[in-house]
Amino acid sequence: AQSVTQPDIHITVSEGASLELRCNYSYGATPYLFWYVQSPGQGLQLLLKYFSGDTLVQGIKGFEAEFKRSQSSFNLRKPSVHWSDAAEYFCAVMTYNNNDMRFGAGTRLTVKP
Amino acid sequence: DSGVTQTPKHLITATGQRVTLRCSPRSGDLSVYWYQQSLDQGLQFLIQYYNGEERAKGNILERFSAQQFPDLHSELNLSSLELGDSALYFCASSVEVTDTREQFFGPGTRLTVL
Repeated sequence: AQSVTQPDIHITVSEGASLELRCNYSYGATPYLFWYVQSPGQGLQLLLKYFSGDTLVQGIKGFEAEFKRSQSSFNLRKPSVHWSDAAEYFCAVMTYNNNDMRFGAGTRLTVKP
Repeated sequence: DSGVTQTPKHLITATGQRVTLRCSPRSGDLSVYWYQQSLDQGLQFLIQYYNGEERAKGNILERFSAQQFPDLHSELNLSSLELGDSALYFCASSVEVTDTREQFFGPGTRLTVL
């Protein structure tokens, strides 16, 4: 069955520390991959996306993600976290011929001062 | 600001009632998507409309229906409401070109069923 897994429900990092949020997917072929961020009481904002080509993609707010086909993963990274990065992060996938976007359960990020 | 607008922002109603949520997509976007976000189910795709026609269906209950009008705005109708329908309902829009799948999300409508 098609699925998106974010193994970490909640992560706490110190401000200035590096961050990696994990995402694994289970699909028949390479899907379109997305990372969205949701601040409390807000809608979802797209951080970055992968369709094809270079497996390391850059996004907004200093985020990047790496697509690893062999591991079916699309992990989100940031070298130095800011307090304003505290939010909920969602990995999402969509297949080429299907408009059904599937979201992971989300990872809540807390940033310690 | 994504350019997608949703009204109302909050809605409180009683079980058994019917409500309508409204979404205006970004200028130029032909596709509208509806999602439900709840604590127990997470973010779920409900339904997609493209230029007035239903394009894809997800986990949408029979009590729920949607439509997209000629001006491309969309409405999600929820009827015979139950406590479990309390959730945040998001609308998203996209250009819907085959190689561009980015969806832009509205701020959501928070529905509380008492």
